[in-house]
Amino acid sequence: AQKVTQAQTEISVVEKEDVTLDCVYETRDTTYYLFWYKQPPSGELVFLIRRNSFDEQNEISGRYSWNFQKSTSSFNFTITASQVVDSAVYFCALSERGSQGNLIFGKGTKLSVKP
Amino acid sequence: GAGVSQTPSNKVTEKGKYVELRCDPISGHTALYWYRQSLGQGPEFLIYFQGTGAADDSGLPNDRFFAVRPEGSVSTLKIQRTERGDSAVYLCASSLTGLIQETQYFGPGTRLLVL
Repeated sequence: AQKVTQAQTEISVVEKEDVTLDCVYETRDTTYYLFWYKQPPSGELVFLIRRNSFDEQNEISGRYSWNFQKSTSSFNFTITASQVVDSAVYFCALSERGSQGNLIFGKGTKLSVKP
Repeated sequence: GAGVSQTPSNKVTEKGKYVELRCDPISGHTALYWYRQSLGQGPEFLIYFQGTGAADDSGLPNDRFFAVRPEGSVSTLKIQRTERGDSAVYLCASSLTGLIQETQYFGPGTRLLVL
């Protein structure tokens, strides 16, 4: 069973649309951390956010926002007013004690923002 | 340099050959990770170093894969008797001390193609 599921393989939107990328995770640990990374066409993974299991406050950073809900084991990522530069593959990842902090990644969601 | 660097950026080899991939982590980071990313997939954990020692090598697929970090800084991933299935992007990441809450910073990767 996958520990991190990103059900959306590809999403295509038009510039200025809002878009939400879904992430569902599975863990037995009570202490764990969730991450989002962006992988633009250049290939390098860029860190976006980290969230610990004890903090369910939503976070906003500019056009980006994250919604963490332990009740549904989800950590969704919303981009408001998308731009062409947001086009990339986005990965959700889990770090848990059981895996000694090694990141467990989802398969990623490829976002295409068209002008 | 400020970030994680990896060399070479691309490597083409023939089936059965030996290859070495190098990673230079962020200065001062004691934790170093290797991941492998196949086309259309998320990165998958290979091995984790804490200082000079391999703290977790559970992700290495078989005994053809080996990694070292002799001085606790630069690491080399070694693949013997390469197979076409080894073709992938090999990513290196580092974090300050290896705690599960720490952000891992990734290098640009080495794209390996086995013909």
